[in-house]
Amino acid sequence: SQTIHQWPATLVQPVGSPLSLECTVEGTSNPNLYWYRQAAGRGLQLLFYSVGIGQISSEVPQNLSASRPQDRQFILSSKKLLLSDSGFYLCAWVWGDTDTQYFGPGTRLTVL
Amino acid sequence: GNSVTQMEGPVTLSEEAFLTINCTYTATGYPSLFWYVQYPGEGLQLLLKATKADDKGSNKGFEATYRKETTSFHLEKGSVQVSDSAVYFCAPPVHMDTGRRALTFGSGTRLQVQP
Repeated sequence: SQTIHQWPATLVQPVGSPLSLECTVEGTSNPNLYWYRQAAGRGLQLLFYSVGIGQISSEVPQNLSASRPQDRQFILSSKKLLLSDSGFYLCAWVWGDTDTQYFGPGTRLTVL
Repeated sequence: GNSVTQMEGPVTLSEEAFLTINCTYTATGYPSLFWYVQYPGEGLQLLLKATKADDKGSNKGFEATYRKETTSFHLEKGSVQVSDSAVYFCAPPVHMDTGRRALTFGSGTRLQVQP
């Protein structure tokens, strides 16, 4: 069966520090991968998606970047965090041509 | 493009009450429609889906019927429990520039069930 992992689960970082969040998927190959952010009490904002290794599309220009160094690994990064980067970051994957997204457990990021 | 309009919360109900969360959509053709649920502190879980018009999705006592006449996909449950307290998201697929799809999510509807 397929599983999706995210780490860390929680993170507290100072403003201006770098960020690296990791997402890995097991049990499937060549998934579409997605990064979302959910601000407190708000909906999900799609940040990045990837249809393959090294292929990243950005939905919203901002202080973040994403990379896909391996087929089942998706990394969200920042060189300098802003207060507005605080939120709940969710990774998701889609298998094949289906429309159903499966979400990881999320990373709660607090920037102080 | 495809989009949804979902009723705003919070919705507060007593245990065993009837639940309806409204969702209407605009779409090209008849795409799949989804309801996701997010329990406190967790990621989103697929609750149910319908892949074509007039389909009914159901899971854990929740139901939603894909109605093309009213372009709606309302979520219903006959008798809610405290454990149903969560945020519920209605979503259609969205076509990306590469032709691959990702779901767009609104702010969701928070449901609070009181004992």
